[in-house]
Amino acid sequence: GAVVSQHPSRVICKSGTSVKIECRSLDFQATTMFWYRQFPKQSLMLMATSNEGSKATYEQGVEKDKFLINHASLTLSTLTVTSAHPEDSSFYICSARDTFLQQYFGPGTRLTVT
Amino acid sequence: DAKTTQPPSMDCAEGRAANLPCNHSTISGNEYVYWYRQIHSQGPQYIIHGLKNNETNEMASLIITEDRKSSTLILPHATLRDTAVYYCIVYTGNQFYFGTGTSLTVIP
Repeated sequence: GAVVSQHPSRVICKSGTSVKIECRSLDFQATTMFWYRQFPKQSLMLMATSNEGSKATYEQGVEKDKFLINHASLTLSTLTVTSAHPEDSSFYICSARDTFLQQYFGPGTRLTVT
Repeated sequence: DAKTTQPPSMDCAEGRAANLPCNHSTISGNEYVYWYRQIHSQGPQYIIHGLKNNETNEMASLIITEDRKSSTLILPHATLRDTAVYYCIVYTGNQFYFGTGTSLTVIP
């Protein structure tokens, strides 16, 4: 089946720094990718929809200047958490949608901000 | 916003069938029902999906009521590795909005 990877799987950064998370579709092209955030013992919350070659669409309440999304190719989307704070510590998950509208999820990235 | 309602938790004996219900009373005619599960600290794993008819694959069966307002995911012979949070999602072909899911615990 289709595979979506994320890198890194875990990252620890200091408060005030920025961190970039990559999401790749390994064996298919994805014109649309999605970014989710999940806090402990909670469900996945959709943050933004990323379309290749255009600006991301953010869900209500998600700061677009804090969570920068770039979808420069059909197989890669990146999420940059800028000026990270401890409250940004979370599990970030991406998904990629193929031409048949099926979505495949990545394994997630655990971000810890100290 | 999530369009589904699921019980927060369920237990199932190992080897028995696990039946996970989901209500989606506001589902539209062109919206699919998808089921994913998430094992702790991993990404969601696809299980099965359907529109109107019942579906079966190597992992599970999906029973959708005739009025499509509810469905049941059936794991025919639950194992300890099936312990996970199961999400029922109504999908328009655009975004997935996750509800709170059902935490299934398979008991030895």
